[in-house]
Amino acid sequence: NAGVMQNPRHLVRRRGQEARLRCSPMKGHSHVYWYRQLPEEGLKFMVYLQKENIIDESGMPKERFSAEFPKEGPSILRIQQVVRGDSAAYFCASSPQGGNEQFFGPGTRLTVL
Amino acid sequence: SQQGEEDPQALSIQEGENATMNCSYKTSINNLQWYRQNSGRGLVHLILIRSNEREKHSGRLRVTLDTSKKSSSLLITASRAADTASYFCATVPHGSGNTGKLIFGQGTTLQVKP
Repeated sequence: NAGVMQNPRHLVRRRGQEARLRCSPMKGHSHVYWYRQLPEEGLKFMVYLQKENIIDESGMPKERFSAEFPKEGPSILRIQQVVRGDSAAYFCASSPQGGNEQFFGPGTRLTVL
Repeated sequence: SQQGEEDPQALSIQEGENATMNCSYKTSINNLQWYRQNSGRGLVHLILIRSNEREKHSGRLRVTLDTSKKSSSLLITASRAADTASYFCATVPHGSGNTGKLIFGQGTTLQVKP
């Protein structure tokens, strides 16, 4: 049973471009969480999704950020018109049900030039 | 605001010694979890303790929870160089429904010297 997969592992974008981060949860997990980690800091919750539904997006910036978890395929975190402050590590986690331990992917490290 | 605060921020010990990390939080919780993160890697779940539990063990790990003080501690006994990592506590706030979103502390960086 493969763990949580994220790709790409490293992503470099110039200011104003779009970044798409993908997350494939563990087999059988229908709950996906996205977190952002700035250098030397802990992780901060962004959004929680179940298949085809956004359940909690209270941690998402109001503009430029969106997330989806379609019926088929991976969850996508999309950042439009990236700025330097978006540079961070973005982690995805999955869980068979909410409220218990989460299984984290290796993260995508986004660098905005 | 961030739920958890951890101390110390950094801890350096010799192999074989015990390491204790503390975590405080602000609101009532459903459970508290500890995670380890090796440099540049993802997080690995270590242990989960529910709000009605006071102590839990897993191998060389011992976690305590004091809900009256809103604090938890993680003890690693007989530390090894491979334990070198950052350790984070994370809470699932009470009343967050079944969303299960984790609120992380700032983390403790542990260095175990061989």
